[in-house]
Amino acid sequence: EAGVVQSPRYKIIEKKQPVAFWCNPISGHNTLYWYLQNLGQGPELLIRYENEEAVDDSQLPKDRFSAERLKGVDSTLKIQPAELGDSAVYLCASSKSRGSGELFFGEGSRLTVL
Amino acid sequence: AQSVTQLGSHVSVSEGALVLLRCNYSSSVPPYLFWYVQYPNQGLQLLLKYTTGATLVKGINGFEAEFKKSETSFHLTKPSAHMSDAAEYFCAVSPYGNKLVFGAGTILRVKS
Repeated sequence: EAGVVQSPRYKIIEKKQPVAFWCNPISGHNTLYWYLQNLGQGPELLIRYENEEAVDDSQLPKDRFSAERLKGVDSTLKIQPAELGDSAVYLCASSKSRGSGELFFGEGSRLTVL
Repeated sequence: AQSVTQLGSHVSVSEGALVLLRCNYSSSVPPYLFWYVQYPNQGLQLLLKYTTGATLVKGINGFEAEFKKSETSFHLTKPSAHMSDAAEYFCAVSPYGNKLVFGAGTILRVKS
Protein backbone atom coordinates (compact mmCIF):
# COMPACT_ATOMS: atom_id res chain seq x y z
CA GLU A 1 0.00 0.00 0.00
CA ALA A 2 1.43 3.36 -0.97
CA GLY A 3 1.88 5.90 1.79
CA VAL A 4 1.08 9.58 1.85
CA VAL A 5 2.92 11.27 -1.00
CA GLN A 6 3.98 14.89 -0.88
CA SER A 7 5.71 17.10 -3.39
CA PRO A 8 7.97 18.87 -3.71
CA ARG A 9 10.25 17.62 -0.93
CA TYR A 10 12.24 20.84 -0.97
CA LYS A 11 11.46 24.30 -2.24
CA ILE A 12 13.51 27.48 -2.11
CA ILE A 13 11.86 30.75 -3.11
CA GLU A 14 12.32 34.43 -2.57
CA LYS A 15 9.93 36.35 -0.35
CA LYS A 16 6.75 37.59 -1.97
CA GLN A 17 6.77 34.68 -4.42
CA PRO A 18 3.93 32.13 -4.45
CA VAL A 19 4.42 28.46 -3.63
CA ALA A 20 2.22 25.38 -3.69
CA PHE A 21 2.46 21.98 -2.05
CA TRP A 22 0.66 18.89 -3.17
CA CYS A 23 -0.45 15.88 -1.17
CA ASN A 24 -1.90 12.53 -2.20
CA PRO A 25 -3.28 10.64 0.82
CA ILE A 26 -3.54 6.91 1.29
CA SER A 27 -6.31 5.45 -0.82
CA GLY A 28 -9.56 5.25 1.09
CA HIS A 29 -8.55 7.76 3.76
CA ASN A 30 -11.31 10.33 4.05
CA THR A 31 -9.62 12.64 6.52
CA LEU A 32 -6.71 14.78 5.38
CA TYR A 33 -4.60 17.15 7.46
CA TRP A 34 -2.03 19.84 6.74
CA TYR A 35 0.39 20.54 9.56
CA LEU A 36 3.13 23.15 9.90
CA GLN A 37 6.35 22.19 11.67
CA ASN A 38 8.81 24.89 12.62
CA LEU A 39 12.36 23.99 13.56
CA GLY A 40 12.53 22.56 17.07
CA GLN A 41 8.77 22.43 17.48
CA GLY A 42 6.03 19.88 17.08
CA PRO A 43 3.56 19.89 14.21
CA GLU A 44 0.74 22.42 14.39
CA LEU A 45 -2.54 21.86 12.59
CA LEU A 46 -3.32 24.23 9.74
CA ILE A 47 -6.42 22.61 8.27
CA ARG A 48 -8.37 19.35 8.42
CA TYR A 49 -10.61 17.98 5.69
CA GLU A 50 -13.36 15.40 5.92
CA ASN A 51 -13.67 14.34 2.29
CA GLU A 52 -13.78 17.63 0.38
CA GLU A 53 -15.06 19.73 3.28
CA ALA A 54 -12.69 21.81 5.40
CA VAL A 55 -14.01 21.13 8.90
CA ASP A 56 -11.27 22.86 10.89
CA ASP A 57 -9.31 25.73 9.36
CA SER A 58 -9.16 27.96 12.41
CA GLN A 59 -5.35 27.97 12.44
CA LEU A 60 -4.91 28.67 8.72
CA PRO A 61 -3.69 32.26 8.07
CA LYS A 62 -6.27 33.02 5.44
CA ASP A 63 -4.75 36.27 4.29
CA ARG A 64 -1.96 34.40 2.52
CA PHE A 65 -2.66 30.68 2.85
CA SER A 66 -5.27 28.71 0.95
CA ALA A 67 -6.01 25.04 0.56
CA GLU A 68 -8.28 22.88 -1.48
CA ARG A 69 -9.20 19.23 -1.72
CA LEU A 70 -11.09 18.73 -4.92
CA LYS A 71 -13.03 15.49 -5.25
CA GLY A 72 -12.05 14.57 -1.73
CA VAL A 73 -8.76 12.93 -2.70
CA ASP A 74 -5.54 14.87 -3.19
CA SER A 75 -4.98 18.31 -1.80
CA THR A 76 -3.02 21.47 -2.48
CA LEU A 77 -1.77 24.03 0.03
CA LYS A 78 -0.79 27.41 -1.36
CA ILE A 79 1.02 30.40 0.08
CA GLN A 80 0.84 33.74 -1.70
CA PRO A 81 2.84 35.80 -1.10
CA ALA A 82 5.42 33.92 0.97
CA GLU A 83 7.17 35.64 3.88
CA LEU A 84 10.48 34.87 5.57
CA GLY A 85 8.63 33.45 8.56
CA ASP A 86 6.95 30.83 6.40
CA SER A 87 10.18 28.84 6.22
CA ALA A 88 9.22 25.50 7.76
CA VAL A 89 8.24 21.95 6.95
CA TYR A 90 4.68 21.44 5.70
CA LEU A 91 3.34 18.03 6.60
CA CYS A 92 0.39 16.25 5.10
CA ALA A 93 -1.31 13.39 6.90
CA SER A 94 -4.35 11.25 6.36
CA SER A 95 -6.47 8.92 8.45
CA LYS A 96 -9.01 6.30 7.59
CA SER A 97 -11.66 7.38 10.00
CA ARG A 98 -12.43 10.50 11.94
CA GLY A 99 -11.56 10.18 15.59
CA SER A 100 -9.08 7.32 15.37
CA GLY A 101 -6.12 9.57 16.04
CA GLU A 102 -3.98 7.31 13.90
CA LEU A 103 -2.51 9.64 11.34
CA PHE A 104 -0.27 8.56 8.50
CA PHE A 105 2.22 11.28 7.60
CA GLY A 106 4.06 12.07 4.43
CA GLU A 107 7.74 12.97 4.48
CA GLY A 108 6.94 16.67 4.35
CA SER A 109 7.79 19.60 2.10
CA ARG A 110 10.59 21.79 3.39
CA LEU A 111 10.18 25.43 2.40
CA THR A 112 12.97 27.99 2.56
CA VAL A 113 12.05 31.61 1.92
CA LEU A 114 15.00 33.92 1.16
CA ALA B 1 -8.00 23.44 25.39
CA GLN B 2 -5.30 20.84 25.12
CA SER B 3 -1.54 21.17 25.47
CA VAL B 4 1.50 18.93 25.84
CA THR B 5 4.81 19.44 27.58
CA GLN B 6 7.71 17.15 26.83
CA LEU B 7 10.46 17.40 29.39
CA GLY B 8 13.87 17.40 27.78
CA SER B 9 14.41 18.31 24.16
CA HIS B 10 17.35 15.87 24.03
CA VAL B 11 17.80 12.58 25.87
CA SER B 12 20.92 10.44 25.62
CA VAL B 13 21.13 6.82 26.79
CA SER B 14 23.57 3.98 26.36
CA GLU B 15 22.64 0.97 24.29
CA GLY B 16 20.88 -1.53 26.54
CA ALA B 17 19.83 1.11 29.08
CA LEU B 18 16.31 2.11 30.03
CA VAL B 19 14.62 4.69 27.83
CA LEU B 20 12.31 7.16 29.59
CA LEU B 21 10.76 10.04 27.66
CA ARG B 22 8.50 12.29 29.69
CA CYS B 23 5.19 13.77 28.62
CA ASN B 24 2.68 15.79 30.63
CA TYR B 25 -0.58 16.96 29.18
CA SER B 26 -3.42 19.34 29.84
CA SER B 27 -6.90 18.59 28.64
CA SER B 28 -10.36 19.92 29.40
CA VAL B 29 -11.95 16.59 28.44
CA PRO B 30 -10.87 12.97 28.91
CA PRO B 31 -7.87 12.80 26.61
CA TYR B 32 -6.76 10.48 23.91
CA LEU B 33 -2.94 10.30 24.11
CA PHE B 34 -0.38 9.33 21.50
CA TRP B 35 3.30 8.85 20.92
CA TYR B 36 4.65 9.33 17.41
CA VAL B 37 8.20 8.67 16.23
CA GLN B 38 10.08 10.33 13.41
CA TYR B 39 13.19 8.65 12.04
CA PRO B 40 15.59 10.76 9.98
CA ASN B 41 14.19 11.71 6.57
CA GLN B 42 10.92 9.89 7.25
CA GLY B 43 7.40 10.93 8.14
CA LEU B 44 5.99 10.65 11.63
CA GLN B 45 4.55 7.25 12.47
CA LEU B 46 2.33 6.14 15.30
CA LEU B 47 4.15 4.31 18.09
CA LEU B 48 1.22 3.75 20.45
CA LYS B 49 -2.01 5.30 21.68
CA TYR B 50 -4.28 5.43 24.70
CA THR B 51 -8.00 6.02 24.30
CA THR B 52 -9.88 4.26 27.07
CA GLY B 53 -9.49 1.12 29.15
CA ALA B 54 -6.15 -0.31 30.23
CA THR B 55 -3.81 2.47 31.28
CA LEU B 56 -0.64 0.63 30.25
CA VAL B 57 -0.41 0.49 26.49
CA LYS B 58 2.12 -1.34 24.40
CA GLY B 59 3.38 -0.19 21.05
CA ILE B 60 5.73 -1.19 18.34
CA ASN B 61 9.43 -1.96 18.83
CA GLY B 62 9.08 -2.77 22.53
CA PHE B 63 7.87 0.65 23.66
CA GLU B 64 5.10 1.16 26.18
CA ALA B 65 3.47 4.07 27.96
CA GLU B 66 1.31 4.43 31.03
CA PHE B 67 -1.55 6.88 31.39
CA LYS B 68 -1.59 8.38 34.88
CA LYS B 69 -4.57 10.65 35.28
CA SER B 70 -3.59 11.87 38.74
CA GLU B 71 -0.23 13.03 37.40
CA THR B 72 -1.54 14.08 33.96
CA SER B 73 1.34 12.12 32.48
CA PHE B 74 1.91 9.69 29.64
CA HIS B 75 5.60 8.79 29.81
CA LEU B 76 7.16 6.54 27.18
CA THR B 77 9.49 3.74 28.23
CA LYS B 78 11.53 0.91 26.78
CA PRO B 79 13.52 -1.45 28.99
CA SER B 80 16.56 -1.73 26.73
CA ALA B 81 17.58 0.85 24.13
CA HIS B 82 18.79 -0.19 20.73
CA MET B 83 20.79 1.90 18.28
CA SER B 84 17.82 1.82 15.90
CA ASP B 85 15.70 3.69 18.46
CA ALA B 86 17.57 6.91 17.75
CA ALA B 87 14.89 9.27 16.47
CA GLU B 88 12.66 12.15 17.49
CA TYR B 89 9.64 11.31 19.60
CA PHE B 90 6.47 13.38 19.82
CA CYS B 91 3.74 13.13 22.44
CA ALA B 92 0.28 14.29 21.38
CA VAL B 93 -3.09 14.83 23.03
CA SER B 94 -6.50 14.95 21.42
CA PRO B 95 -10.13 15.32 22.36
CA TYR B 96 -11.74 12.22 20.92
CA GLY B 97 -8.99 11.63 18.38
CA ASN B 98 -9.93 14.43 16.03
CA LYS B 99 -7.43 17.23 16.46
CA LEU B 100 -3.98 16.20 17.67
CA VAL B 101 -1.93 18.74 19.60
CA PHE B 102 1.73 17.81 19.60
CA GLY B 103 4.50 18.51 22.04
CA ALA B 104 7.79 20.03 20.90
CA GLY B 105 9.47 16.65 20.59
CA THR B 106 12.38 14.85 22.27
CA ILE B 107 15.41 13.73 20.31
CA LEU B 108 16.69 10.39 21.57
CA ARG B 109 20.36 9.60 21.12
CA VAL B 110 21.62 6.07 21.76
CA LYS B 111 25.31 5.67 22.52
CA SER B 112 27.19 2.48 21.77
